[in-house]
Amino acid sequence: DIQMTQAPSSLSASLGDGVTITCRASQSVSSCLNWYQQKPGKAPNLLIFAASSLQSGVPSRFSGSGSGTDFTLTISSLQPEDFATYYCQQSCSIPWTFGQGTKVEI
Amino acid sequence: EVQLVESGGGLVQPGGSLRLSCAASGFTFSNYWMSWVRQAPGKGLEWVANIKQDGSVKYYVDSVKGRFTISRDNAKNSLYLQMNSLRAEDTAVYYCASLRYSSTWYWADPWGQGTLVTVSS
Repeated sequence: DIQMTQAPSSLSASLGDGVTITCRASQSVSSCLNWYQQKPGKAPNLLIFAASSLQSGVPSRFSGSGSGTDFTLTISSLQPEDFATYYCQQSCSIPWTFGQGTKVEI
Repeated sequence: EVQLVESGGGLVQPGGSLRLSCAASGFTFSNYWMSWVRQAPGKGLEWVANIKQDGSVKYYVDSVKGRFTISRDNAKNSLYLQMNSLRAEDTAVYYCASLRYSSTWYWADPWGQGTLVTVSS
């Protein structure tokens, strides 16, 4: 199975800060990498698919990059609604696997 | 509006069975792979199973193989998860999701609101 490791597990930031979350795969997943945002008690919401494609309706302050084994999710300027947990997921190889999550807090 | 609505969760004893349903609306259900993903209380996300548009191909995470069965009824725009021999570690919120794709890339969007399954005596 491909292991997905996110860093950091949690971070504290302020409104307007830029934030970067990394995701590393234990073997290459090409660009089969998605990012989801989840708020407490809610279902996950797709932010980025295929490593760098912004889902329709998602603010442009979110961006994704990387390929192979190393990926990043960047939020350029944190807004109040961005405080949440973020998960990466690889969809190249069965079983699909998620990172452990990164909680972004104030 | 594209919508997925899960139902069927509840409290079940270890070794028991439960069938989850996911009703789809607002899109052509039969055109898309579908997925179940679960989340244990306070934990991260875990992919459970995928099913192809016509139901001919199914994939499962090892921990549920032989116990869970994913299925669909395209005439009813519905996805199912039959869960047998339930264990305490199956306790989780179960989400259904539609899988979109481009070339070889797949992603889950949208997701349902989830249904809670609690396995306990």
